[in-house]
Amino acid sequence: EPEVTQTPSHQVTQMGQEVILRCVPISNHLYFYWYRQILGQKVEFLVSFYNNEISEKSEIFDDQFSVERPDGSNFTLKIRSTKLEDSAMYFCASRKLAGGYTDTQYFGPGTRLTVL
Amino acid sequence: GEDVEQSLFLSVREGDSSVINCTYTDSSSTYLYWYKQEPGAGLQLLTYIFSNMDMKQDQRLTVLLNKKDKHLSLRIADTQTGDSAIYFCAEVKAAGNKLTFGGGTRVLVKP
Repeated sequence: EPEVTQTPSHQVTQMGQEVILRCVPISNHLYFYWYRQILGQKVEFLVSFYNNEISEKSEIFDDQFSVERPDGSNFTLKIRSTKLEDSAMYFCASRKLAGGYTDTQYFGPGTRLTVL
Repeated sequence: GEDVEQSLFLSVREGDSSVINCTYTDSSSTYLYWYKQEPGAGLQLLTYIFSNMDMKQDQRLTVLLNKKDKHLSLRIADTQTGDSAIYFCAEVKAAGNKLTFGGGTRVLVKP
C-alpha cells in the first residue's frame, strides 16, 4: 500500500542553522501539508501546498519557513535559522484531490527535530 | 473559533469496550476524523464521519456524533493490546483544508 515517507527520522541541529526536512508524498496525490507537534502539545497545521504554490498557511509559518516541490516526488520544508522553540515532530501529509468524505490526508511517520 | 478537546488518558482491560470522547467548538465543521498514533509511527486514519451523520460503524469501531452538543466519540469494541496508542480527533471545514486536532487521548490496554 502506498505511503508517505519522511527523512530523516531524527535531525539534531544547532540554533541558527538551516534545516531541510524531506517528504515523499503518495505518488498520485496533489495536495501536500506540513504539521508539527511540540512535545506534549497538539498537532498544529503549518502550511498546505497545491499546484506549486502555498494555498494556506498558519501564523506559525513565518518568513523563517519555506516549502518547495523541487521535483516530481519530493516536498520539502526549510527552516532558515532554527530556534530552540522549533524543536518538534514535523509531519508531512498528502491528499489525492477531489472532494468527498473519502478524501483524506495521509500522514508520514514524522521527523523529530531537536534544536540545541 | 476552533478548539478541539479530548481527555488525556484512558485505561481499559483487554476485551472491554473503550470510549474516547472529543468536543469541538466550530459548528461549521463538515468532516470529523479519528487518527491513531502508535509509538514512533505517523498518524493513521481510523475512520471519519460526515457532520450530517449521527453514527457510523466500521467493524470494531463506532463513531457517534452529537451535533447539538458538538460531541464526538469513538467506541472500540473488544479492545485488544494492539489498540494501545494515542487517539486524535480532528475536524476540517471543507475537504482539503487544514485539520484541527485535539490533544490526543492515550489509551492503555491492560491484559
